[in-house]
Amino acid sequence: EDQVTQSPEALRLQEGESSSLNCSYTVSGLRGLFWYRQDPGKGPEFLFTLYSAGEEKEKERLKATLTKKESFLHITAPKPEDSATYLCAVRGYAGNNRKLIWGLGTSLAVNP
Amino acid sequence: GAGVSQSPSNKVTEKGKDVELRCDPISGHTALYWYRQSLGQGLEFLIYFQGNSAPDKSGLPSDRFSAERTGGSVSTLTIQRTQQEDSAVYLCASSAGNMNTEAFFGQGTRLTVV
Repeated sequence: EDQVTQSPEALRLQEGESSSLNCSYTVSGLRGLFWYRQDPGKGPEFLFTLYSAGEEKEKERLKATLTKKESFLHITAPKPEDSATYLCAVRGYAGNNRKLIWGLGTSLAVNP
Repeated sequence: GAGVSQSPSNKVTEKGKDVELRCDPISGHTALYWYRQSLGQGLEFLIYFQGNSAPDKSGLPSDRFSAERTGGSVSTLTIQRTQQEDSAVYLCASSAGNMNTEAFFGQGTRLTVV
């Protein structure tokens, strides 16, 4: 069964304190792994898509990496405005591949 | 519009009443998704529309739920005879159509059934 597990559930950082969020996945052939950011009361905002192991993408203070079993979202020198819930989702080849399988997210709080 | 628009933003309804939730996708996007997000739960897939193809309704939780997409654009999610367990945020997303392209979400409709 396709599955996505994110850790930690919650993370509190001081401004400037770099860290990483983890997304472990089990899927029958990976079509794509997606990272989104969600602010309270808003819909998820797209960040990155990764397709194959070894791939990396960067945007400002965020860098996403992918292996065959997991993805990391590295946050370098975070600022308070990076506080949000970060969601990971995968789409596989088997079964209903129209669906994204979502993790429960990591709630990040960055203190000034 | 520039993004996916959903209305209403909030809806409070009495148990047993019907509700309609609306989604205006990004212009030109052929794929449209409805998801449900409950507290402490991941996003739950409800239904998927792609162009003129038959929709994928495999995620609809019961026959009280239905959705339409008119003219390949605006979509309406209808919940009949609402129950308290239907309370959640209903999110709509659209994408350019290729299953590997990212989906863009609206701000959601928070439905509360009292």
